[in-house]
Amino acid sequence: DGGITQSPKYLFRKEGQNVTLSCEQNLNHDAMYWYRQDPGQGLRLIYYSQIVNDFQKGDIAEGYSVSREKKESFPLTVTSAQKNPTAFYLCASSIEGRPLGYTFGSGTRLTVV
Amino acid sequence: AQSVAQPEDQVNVAEGNPLTVKCTYSVSGNPYLFWYVQYPNRGLQFLLKYITGDNLVKGSYGFEAEFNKSQTSFHLKKPSALVSDSALYFCAVRGSQGNLIFGKGTKLSVKP
Repeated sequence: DGGITQSPKYLFRKEGQNVTLSCEQNLNHDAMYWYRQDPGQGLRLIYYSQIVNDFQKGDIAEGYSVSREKKESFPLTVTSAQKNPTAFYLCASSIEGRPLGYTFGSGTRLTVV
Repeated sequence: AQSVAQPEDQVNVAEGNPLTVKCTYSVSGNPYLFWYVQYPNRGLQFLLKYITGDNLVKGSYGFEAEFNKSQTSFHLKKPSALVSDSALYFCAVRGSQGNLIFGKGTKLSVKP
């Protein structure tokens, strides 16, 4: 079955560490997105990519970095510059140019310890 | 600026009663509107969308939504709520860059 896979499901980070969240899709979708979810704040867009080797900053890109070397993969790195990284991170994908909505992964919960 | 508002943080309904979760939007041009549901520690699941056509859209699990252009609203409805409908519901509108802009979410609680 086609889908979008996020790993790991839970991740713990020490202060000052960089961590990378994985997002892989086999839906042949062009566009991929990373959102951050905090209680009461809904989903906020971190980065998105509409095509391989290209990506755009979203509303809260500071302290995060991404790459899009393959169509299937869009990893998110949470750097030490992100001061409050504890959150639930959601990856999504869609067919570019078509208003069909997103397919979401099951999320990664990141906790700073 | 494009935006979505969900005015209620929480909606409480008794099982078997009808439910409504409210959503209003602000977007230039014709809106593409979506509803998603999220269960604890899970990703979002697509419920339904409005692109064009009939203002009443039917979706998954017995949910429907009514698009009202004059009121810029897209309220989610269900005739008879189930306890299993308890979850977090998000309304979204497609932005000019193709990304979805989400509301803050409404927690639906259905009591037996």
